[in-house]
Order: sequence, then structure tokens, then C-alpha cells
Amino acid sequence: KAGVTQTPRYLIKTRGQQVTLSCSPISGHRSVSWYQQTPGQGLQFLFEYFSETQRNKGNFPGRFSGRQFSNSRSEMNVSTLELGDSALYLCASSPGFGNTIYFGEGSWLTVV
Amino acid sequence: AQTVTQSQPEMSVQEAETVTLSCTYDTSESDYYLFWYKQPPSRQMILVIRQEAYKQQNATENRFSVNFQKAAKSFSLKISDSQLGDAAMYFCAYRSAETSYDKVIFGPGTSLSVIP
Repeated sequence: KAGVTQTPRYLIKTRGQQVTLSCSPISGHRSVSWYQQTPGQGLQFLFEYFSETQRNKGNFPGRFSGRQFSNSRSEMNVSTLELGDSALYLCASSPGFGNTIYFGEGSWLTVV
Repeated sequence: AQTVTQSQPEMSVQEAETVTLSCTYDTSESDYYLFWYKQPPSRQMILVIRQEAYKQQNATENRFSVNFQKAAKSFSLKISDSQLGDAAMYFCAYRSAETSYDKVIFGPGTSLSVIP
């Protein structure tokens, strides 16, 4: 069974630009959640989607958004990038309903 | 709100020895899950072990075991017969079982070094 797949793995963007990250969950998993990992703030929850609906959202500005498609694939978007958005963005999936979440390898975003 | 604390930013262990990583958490919930995740230099988050709060028996997975003290809100990870491949960041994590949301709260992590 294929794991959680995130694309792209590495990207560099300029301040003010926007970026879209993609996540394909494990087959059969309906829940996708996103986390931001930085040296200063650690791992922080961004949002979670289940069956195309956002069920929960972390404490991030509105520049951070996401969506989930009918095939459970998810995208997150960050608009008007700031230097502080440089981070590893981790996607995780689970069947939902209290199961363990499994992570992808992450997307490294550098904002210059 | 729930919080997870790991008081040891760095730990080291001799190869083949045993090491214990500490974790405490704060919650008003009675039903929840606790996890230990390992993040090696590749940054892939790997599940090490999972504990369900309503189960009194401590979880074990091969060389990894936990000491779960619900009343004390403590959840330590013991690694026996440490191997070089165990070197990584270890995150303690909490997930509520009282909602269906997949929101996991992570501690700040403990960096484990294994000395040959």
C-alpha cells in the first residue's frame, strides 16, 4: 500500500508570491490533516479535512487555506508569502474516527 | 486546551543500552490517545507506539515500550538495546478520543543521539 505522498518535495518562493502544496493520502483514508514544522514553533496543526469538509482549523492567518477533493486528495495554499512561512509542511492521513495518523515526507518551503 | 511537554531537549545513549524519554501532558479529557513519533534526519514522521488512555496495560512494540501513568499524566518511552538507527527526534503527541477530529498536539521533541 502506498504511503502518503506530498508534492513538491522542495520549493523556493519569493515574498509576496503564493504557493500550493499537494497531498495524496493512503488509499482508503478519508481524513487529511496538515502541519507546519519550524525550528522555533515546532509542529503546529494547520487544518483537517474529512470528506471534502474542513472539520478543524488551527491558529493560522487566513492566508493559509486548504481544500479536499472527492478522491480525498488535498491541497493547501499559502498566499502573500512571508519569510516566516519558510517551513516543512507535513500532511497526514487516517481513515478518520480516532485512528492513528500517518505522515508524508513533507514539502520543504523556503521563502526568500 | 491540551498541552504536551517534553522536558529533555537532548538525550544520548550508548549503543545497546536503554534510554527513557519523558513526556507529560495536560488535559481535562478522560478519553484520548497518546503517541510517540520518530523523525529521523530524512524528516519522515514515523509512528513508534500508540497508547489508548482507557487501557491500563502499557503498550509495547519490540524494543519500544511506554510507561503510561494516567493519574500523573505522564507517558514515557523506553528504548531497549538502542541501535544507531534509533538516533532521531522523538515527539510525544496527544489526540482526543472525545471528538472525531484528527488534530494531534505535539510536544517540542527530544533529540536522541546514539553513541557507538
